Amino acid sequence: EDKVVQSPLSLVVHEGDTVTLNCSYEVTNFRSLLWYKQEKKAPTFLFMLTSSGIEKKSGRLSSILDKKELFSILNITATQTGDSAVYLCAVDLHNFGNEKLTFGTGTRLTIIP
Amino acid sequence: KAGVTQTPRYLIKTRGQQVTLSCSPISGHRSVSWYQQTPGQGLQFLFEYFSETQRNKGNFPGRFSGRQFSNSRSEMNVSTLELGDSALYLCASSGQGLYTGELFFGEGSRLTVL
Repeated sequence: EDKVVQSPLSLVVHEGDTVTLNCSYEVTNFRSLLWYKQEKKAPTFLFMLTSSGIEKKSGRLSSILDKKELFSILNITATQTGDSAVYLCAVDLHNFGNEKLTFGTGTRLTIIP
Repeated sequence: KAGVTQTPRYLIKTRGQQVTLSCSPISGHRSVSWYQQTPGQGLQFLFEYFSETQRNKGNFPGRFSGRQFSNSRSEMNVSTLELGDSALYLCASSGQGLYTGELFFGEGSRLTVL
């Protein structure tokens, strides 16, 4: 059975801290790994990673994928209160053109001012 | 460009009833997928439609069904509601062209079953 596991489940840090969120997966027909941010209702896309060892970066957020060890990390530096959200990791399974995302349960990040 | 629109946003039903949820994708997007989100299970894939055809289905009972219309709008239906069906139902659309993996989610329909 395809599985995506995120850790920690929740994290509380002070503004300005750096955090690392983890995502490991066991799936068949891996196509890509994606990170989403969910603040209230609608998850919003952060990154897609397909190649091992290549860092994706957007401002204070960065992510990297290790396809050999089957995990990814999401780093957030100099955290701000606006970073408080649930961060979701998902794996895209490619099978004859039909795609579906398998999500982890998420990491709830809380930034204390 | 308008985003993904889901209706209704909130609804309350009782056990045994049925419910229909609607999703209008971003204009030009032909793929629509549905997810159920609960605190314990996270987001779970329900099904995906493309050009009015169901291309993939998750591990949900037959009480969960869906369809897509020629204008790409989609509906999902849950019959004989159970307490465990209480959840946030999210719809997402994606476009064609270069694969980006990105899904555009709607705000969701919050279903409460009493």
